[in-house]
Amino acid sequence: NAGVTQTPKFQVLKTGQSMTLQCAQDMNHNSMYWYRQDPGMGLRLIYYSASEGTTDKGEVPNGYNVSRLNKREFSLRLESAAPSQTSVYFCASQGAMSNQPQHFGDGTRLSIL
Amino acid sequence: AQSVTQLDSHVSVSEGTPVLLRCNYSSSYSPSLFWYVQHPNKGLQLLLKYTSAATLVKGINGFEAEFKKSETSFHLTKPSAHMSDAAEYFCVVYSPGAGNMLTFGGGTRLMVKP
Repeated sequence: NAGVTQTPKFQVLKTGQSMTLQCAQDMNHNSMYWYRQDPGMGLRLIYYSASEGTTDKGEVPNGYNVSRLNKREFSLRLESAAPSQTSVYFCASQGAMSNQPQHFGDGTRLSIL
Repeated sequence: AQSVTQLDSHVSVSEGTPVLLRCNYSSSYSPSLFWYVQHPNKGLQLLLKYTSAATLVKGINGFEAEFKKSETSFHLTKPSAHMSDAAEYFCVVYSPGAGNMLTFGGGTRLMVKP
């Protein structure tokens, strides 16, 4: 019963490096989301995908890109990492009804030096 | 527009005593409201949800919350705290017209003393 799986769990990057965070869900959900979590700020939405083939910006999209590869997978890419992107990143998925709860992965802890 | 305010960033209780985590929201529409719990180094787990049915909502692990429209509040309570309740709790609001976006409160860290 995997739910939402994120890889990697931890990563340390140098400023200017790029990387892709992976997310996959096995619940046949239409919608997927990427959040970042910073102390005292709750979760802030970076990008979301309401369905396969569509993506939209959230509250804090600058410095990130996303790809909805298929219904299961939604990746987040940092093209040129900056120290301000040090955070914990969460992927979530949601079924068909938009007022239903989202299901979260365990997060990727990313440090940028 | 929608917003969520969790009134306490930290709450400390003794084991066996009641828990109260406070949440106020604002929304231009009839909202759905959620409480999530996050244990260290874990993702968010749904505790309970309100989606316009009964105003008193029961969740997992003995938690419950009451939706009070007149007070725009959705406070989380538990009659008797357990050590395993120590975690961070997030109040979350969803409104139609806000896309598919949830708005998260800043979180309340619950500490339980033996």
